[in-house]
Amino acid sequence: QQQVKQSPQSLIVQKGGISIINCAYENTAFDYFPWYQQFPGKGPALLIAIRPDVSEKKEGRFTISFNKSAKQFSLHIMDSQPGDSATYFCAARQETSGSRLTFGEGTQLTVNP
Amino acid sequence: DTGVSQNPRHKITKRGQNVTFRCDPISEHNRLYWYRQTLGQGPEFLTYFQNEAQLEKSRLLSDRFSAERPKGSFSTLEIQRTEQGDSAMYLCASSRGQINTDTQYFGPGTRLTVL
Repeated sequence: QQQVKQSPQSLIVQKGGISIINCAYENTAFDYFPWYQQFPGKGPALLIAIRPDVSEKKEGRFTISFNKSAKQFSLHIMDSQPGDSATYFCAARQETSGSRLTFGEGTQLTVNP
Repeated sequence: DTGVSQNPRHKITKRGQNVTFRCDPISEHNRLYWYRQTLGQGPEFLTYFQNEAQLEKSRLLSDRFSAERPKGSFSTLEIQRTEQGDSAMYLCASSRGQINTDTQYFGPGTRLTVL
């Protein structure tokens, strides 16, 4: 049962452009929504996270937009750089279920110079 | 660097053999998680520990899998009678166990190949 759906599967943008990755979830009990960045051969690293009581969170070039009624959230990467080329995973967690993270399928981002 | 470490980084084994992986969490992190990641997919939860107690196991964790965290420090994940379908990256993560903003920090993973 896929509880977090992520799109697109892959994304190519030009340097300086905006990268947008979308996720949708089913379980309304989820209460924490992190985004992870993963480079080849490395474990996922936390990029930015949001709780459902806010609609947007910005950290540097990275912004999460959250729509609780639609059960959707998205990652926006402004001024995308070649160093941002990586796989991005959205995730969701329900604290009362032991803090396990449920991940999306991932988006492979390529930023061309 | 005092991040999460995992050993070995790579393991190649023949079908039917037993393998054991080790995870050393960030010191003072009382929660430890194991995930499995197959190529092109997101990590899937396997199990987690609060200190030395194993509190939750996914149905993905068959009887051939066992995890321990003696003394609430490092953890081991053992797979008995490996099958080709066990080939994956096994990721360990740790966290402080804080309410509301508990960040999980991942290790580099152990890549298992079952021939």
